[in-house]
Amino acid sequence: DAKTTQPPSMDCAEGRAANLPCNHSTISGNEYVYWYRQIHSQGPQYIIHGLKNNETNEMASLIITEDRKSSTLILPHATLRDTAVYYCIVNNDYKLSFGAGTTVTVRA
Amino acid sequence: EPEVTQTPSHQVTQMGQEVILRCVPISNHLYFYWYRQILGQKVEFLVSFYNNEISEKSEIFDDQFSVERPDGSNFTLKIRSTKLEDSAMYFCASSDPGAGNEKLFFGSGTQLSVL
Repeated sequence: DAKTTQPPSMDCAEGRAANLPCNHSTISGNEYVYWYRQIHSQGPQYIIHGLKNNETNEMASLIITEDRKSSTLILPHATLRDTAVYYCIVNNDYKLSFGAGTTVTVRA
Repeated sequence: EPEVTQTPSHQVTQMGQEVILRCVPISNHLYFYWYRQILGQKVEFLVSFYNNEISEKSEIFDDQFSVERPDGSNFTLKIRSTKLEDSAMYFCASSDPGAGNEKLFFGSGTQLSVL
């Protein structure tokens, strides 16, 4: 019952911006878009979330399209430590439903 | 920064034995969760706990599983009679309702191996 679609993998050069897309065409009005990441079997780590406005924090920026059917997570200056699986999750409660995510490999 | 602590980091047990996985959530958090991840598979929700009772559980969380908050700091997951298919990484998480339930803080997990 995946509500999001993400590319399975992507590469990024160290120091460059990484743009991670996510499609969520069936999102409903009260559902937020969340991003988590998981570095090599560690516990998932919260990155950012948003409802309809773009959001930015110390880790990343989240751009949500006006129709809310897709979003992009931007890591402004990727480092080797950003290599991880990135999960885009659409939800309106605490029960997170993780998909397969995007495996991001940052290369030197 | 405060963090969720899980012990042990690795647990090996024989099939049919009981195991207890321990977690110390972040101190001012009121919602607690267990998730699990079988090797190579997705992270799956098991159970959520609030106000000393289970608020929601998944179909994975059958009668062999139980959770408890025995004191003011620990949150435990018990598997009564382990099966081979219980082998997985188990993650504890907690959240602060004042900050929005959606921001979960996860521990680094307990790798459970059932032989």
